[in-house]
Amino acid sequence: KAGVTQTPRYLIKTRGQQVTLSCSPISGHRSVSWYQQTPGQGLQFLFEYFSETQRNKGNFPGRFSGRQFSNSRSEMNVSTLELGDSALYLCASTPGQGSPDTQYFGPGTRLTVL
Amino acid sequence: AQSVTQLGSHVSVSEGALVLLRCNYSSSVPPYLFWYVQYPNQGLQLLLKYTSAATLVKGINGFEAEFKKSETSFHLTKPSAHMSDAAEYFCAVLYGNNRLAFGKGNQVVVIP
Repeated sequence: KAGVTQTPRYLIKTRGQQVTLSCSPISGHRSVSWYQQTPGQGLQFLFEYFSETQRNKGNFPGRFSGRQFSNSRSEMNVSTLELGDSALYLCASTPGQGSPDTQYFGPGTRLTVL
Repeated sequence: AQSVTQLGSHVSVSEGALVLLRCNYSSSVPPYLFWYVQYPNQGLQLLLKYTSAATLVKGINGFEAEFKKSETSFHLTKPSAHMSDAAEYFCAVLYGNNRLAFGKGNQVVVIP
């Protein structure tokens, strides 16, 4: 099976812009989680989607949002970008059917905000 | 709330020596614990996981970890370090639906 894919791999934006990141899970996986990785804060959970519904949300401002499509692909959007949003954004997929599911991670999208 | 503590952000080990990375967790329920490895410019790769079966868990690349409830620990070991083990290692605890809480990570440097 193909792994989790994320596009684009690299992005450069300026403050105030918005950005959309995409994640395609492993075939058959219905749950997609998003994480932000920064040198200062480490890996932090953003949100999780299962069957097009957000089930969990981390402690991030409303500028961070996401959605999931019927084919389980997910997008996350960050509006009004700030310098502090520069990070590696990782998504992970699981079958989502039971616990504990192993999360399989994609390679990430590195976002740089200038 | 569940949390994980990893001490020592950078760990240096000689090639062929024991690798020991410490992880302590805090959990109000029986935990599900994971170790992931991250190579430069890559995502996280699962090394091993504890899901309340055997307390000694074997993973990929010769790594293993032992769950000790009395010490709330899940330390990662490898008997003999290889140059290819140079990477960042994260311990994580699962809580809620597919929500991981990660430790700060250990950057492992292998000295030839």
